[in-house]
Parts: sequence; structure tokens; C-alpha cells
Amino acid sequence: DIQMTQSPSTLSASIGDRVTITCRASQSLSSWLAWYQQKPGKAPKLLIYKASTLESGVPSRFSGSGSGTEFTLTISSLQPDDFASYYCQQYNYYPLTFGPGTKVDIK
Amino acid sequence: EVQLVESGGGLVQPGGSLRLSCAASGFTVSSNYMSWVRQAPGKGLEWVSVIYSGGSTYFADSVKGRFSISRDNSRNTLFLQMNSLRAEDTAVYFCARGEVGDRGLAAFDIWGQGTMVTVSS
Repeated sequence: DIQMTQSPSTLSASIGDRVTITCRASQSLSSWLAWYQQKPGKAPKLLIYKASTLESGVPSRFSGSGSGTEFTLTISSLQPDDFASYYCQQYNYYPLTFGPGTKVDIK
Repeated sequence: EVQLVESGGGLVQPGGSLRLSCAASGFTVSSNYMSWVRQAPGKGLEWVSVIYSGGSTYFADSVKGRFSISRDNSRNTLFLQMNSLRAEDTAVYFCARGEVGDRGLAAFDIWGQGTMVTVSS
């Protein structure tokens, strides 16, 4: 199975900060990597697919980059609505696997 | 409106069975890549199963041989039949629609709200 890791596991930030989350895979994914945002008690929401393609309706402050085994999610200017957990997911191999998550909280 | 609504969760004893349903609106289940993803309390996301539009299915090793996935085209509904349930199957179960990439696997663009399954005596 493809192992996914994320860093950091928790991130404390302030409104307006630039935030970067890293996701690493145990094997090359090409660009088959997605990012999700999840708030407590809610379903995940797709933010980015194919490593860098912004899902329709997602604010442009979110961006994704990377290929192969290392990927990043960047929030250019953190907004109050962005405090949540973020997960990466690979879809290059079965079983589909998710990273363990990064919780972004208020500093 | 494109929407998924799960139902069927509840409390079940170890070794028991449960069938989850996921009713879709705004799109056709049978024409799409549909999956179940679960999340144990306080934990991360775990993919469980997929059914392709053509009917092919895949399962996580943790549920293979115990769970099955199916759909009812007339009701535009996805199902997850869960047998021989274990305590470690306790989770919120989400159904999700996949946005399929060139490799034939998917990211998930539409999610239901989830249904809680608790396996306990």
C-alpha cells in the first residue's frame, strides 16, 4: 500500500498568514494527488485535484503544487473559515489512501 | 442540486450485519464512480470500497470478504452491506462520488453527510 505522510500534524497560525502543508508518498504518484478540507462533524470538501487543479468554487487563496512523491498545499492568506483539518489523498494505486491530516488552529 | 444522503447506521453487536444506503440526487449513481470512505472517531479518513459505472468493485483489505457494495439504479441509490462486523469497524461512513483521472482512479468531489456505525456489545 502507498503510505502517505503529512507535516506538520498541527499548525497554529494567525489570520492573514501564509500556510504551507506538505504531503509525501512512499511511491511516485505522478500528479494523482488531491487535497481536502474537513471541519468537525462535517464531510470532507475537495479543494485541489491532480496536485494543482483548483476545484470549482474553491477560493483562489488555496493552491497545490508538486509531483512524484512530494506535494504542498498553500493557503496564501489564512481566513477565519480556513481553520480546519486538511487531508491529502493519493489516487494512483489501490487501495486509495489518505494522509493522517493536518489541523490548522488559531495561534 | 447534486446531493448524497446516507442512512442505515446504528448500533450493532460484534458479528452482526448492517446495510448502509446512499441516495443520490442531481446525478446518476450508475454512471459514476462511487465509493464509501469511513472515519473512526477522532481519526483520519480510510477508503473502504468502490463500484465503477461498469460494475467492477474493489475493497480495502480490512473489509474484503465481509463487506459488499452495490447499487439500485431504479432508486438511484448506493449500498454497503457490512457483515461480520468488528469493533474496529466503528466509524462514520461517508459515500462519495469520484472524479476519475486518467489512471481510472478518483478524487472525491461530492460527499454525503455521513452515517455513524457503532459496533459494540
